[in-house]
Amino acid sequence: AQTVTQSQPEMSVQEAETVTLSCTYDTSENNYYLFWYKQPPSRQMILVIRQEAYKQQNATENRFSVNFQKAAKSFSLKISDSQLGDTAMYFCAFMKQIGTARSEKLVFGKGTKLTVNP
Amino acid sequence: DVKVTQSSRYLVKRTGEKVFLECVQDMDHENMFWYRQDPGLGLRLIYFSYDVKMKEKGDIPEGYSVSREKKERFSLILESASTNQTSMYLCASRGQGRTEAFFGQGTRLTVV
Repeated sequence: AQTVTQSQPEMSVQEAETVTLSCTYDTSENNYYLFWYKQPPSRQMILVIRQEAYKQQNATENRFSVNFQKAAKSFSLKISDSQLGDTAMYFCAFMKQIGTARSEKLVFGKGTKLTVNP
Repeated sequence: DVKVTQSSRYLVKRTGEKVFLECVQDMDHENMFWYRQDPGLGLRLIYFSYDVKMKEKGDIPEGYSVSREKKERFSLILESASTNQTSMYLCASRGQGRTEAFFGQGTRLTVV
């Protein structure tokens, strides 16, 4: 079974600064996907960024980027130029490569509560 | 935009009641999921469905059942609500062969 560990229950950062959220995972799979989801207060969970394990290049989405270390099974999220709207719960998630049968499911970490201070 | 709608934002039920949580998605997604979210525990999968009338148990199915009679609707049923089922419940959907899951706004259920 896959497990996802987020070791930082809470973090805070000043507006405009950079923050890095940590995530490690355990799997015996070789092909899989990793995700960071964001859940703002009282709002829906949305996808922030996705990484395919077979890609060596780290994914980036505007101010969000990841540091994917496959051998170390590490998948951290870096938020640059933090904004007040980045305040949210952030969940790291794992999913096996999608096969032809049935469906694969997301396995989530316990989350990191990020607060961006003005 | 994909829309996943959960029927209630807040719900208060009494112990022993049968509770129905409804989820509807409008993007013809094959896969639908019910998660439970508790502080310090993250999201835990209760049940999921990969097709109409098809379902599979997740990690914590005890005390729950599900129904998927139509592709767009996935219902979570608490047969006899208990106080330890007080939680936030999240529904999600995903298209077959796609990686991104879309979530509803959540139902905060309190069992008294």
